[in-house]
Amino acid sequence: QSALTQPASVSGSPGQSITISCTGTSSDVGSYNLVSWYQQHPGKAPKLIIYEVTKRPSGVSNRFSGSKSGNTASLTISGLLAEDEADYYCCSYAISGIWMFGGGTKVTVL
Amino acid sequence: QVTLRESGPALVKPTQTLTLTCTFSGFSLSTPGLCVTWIRQPPGKALEWLARIDWDDNKYFRTSLKTRLTISKDTSKNQVVLTVTNMDPVDTATYFCARSKVTTGYYFDYWGQGAQVTVSS
Repeated sequence: QSALTQPASVSGSPGQSITISCTGTSSDVGSYNLVSWYQQHPGKAPKLIIYEVTKRPSGVSNRFSGSKSGNTASLTISGLLAEDEADYYCCSYAISGIWMFGGGTKVTVL
Repeated sequence: QVTLRESGPALVKPTQTLTLTCTFSGFSLSTPGLCVTWIRQPPGKALEWLARIDWDDNKYFRTSLKTRLTISKDTSKNQVVLTVTNMDPVDTATYFCARSKVTTGYYFDYWGQGAQVTVSS
């Protein structure tokens, strides 16, 4: 069970858009449209921001959007704000009833 | 309102068994399609999925830790218990419990605040 692959860090200036990739395999990301994304600020529990690849929970800004192609999912944050500075984790349901997390991406707002 | 809260020892010695309890409210684990999952995060590192127990008592475990993990539920008390045997310093982490639906969605919509566990002699 290897972790999904995410870039360690991504940065952008306020107002810009950034995209975080999440690469898995045909046993997880590629098999299901069950990719979710979580935002985690230091010392806090993760917060769900995207589920089922593209859907946003109620209350989550529409600046967050998700997509998937093959074995790679992506999270895009548009109109970057200082408050978006956090760690972001992708997660995919996988064959055999388990979940796989990505290694996490630290987003820095310059 | 859905809430989850983890409880357990903050410090355990190497080779000891860790027992963590997730006490939740706002939902019942007898509701079809729901599950409670344990996830941990070593200091400065990524989230790591550990185990899951479903409303129908089906259980799933991280392959690499399967021999050391046990998960159980007490529906009447709204609690899920995780035990980890033979604790090692590499098991030092914040342990989270979270709720998920396993007939639709398969995402973690509610999380506890986490329980910090240090393994040290």
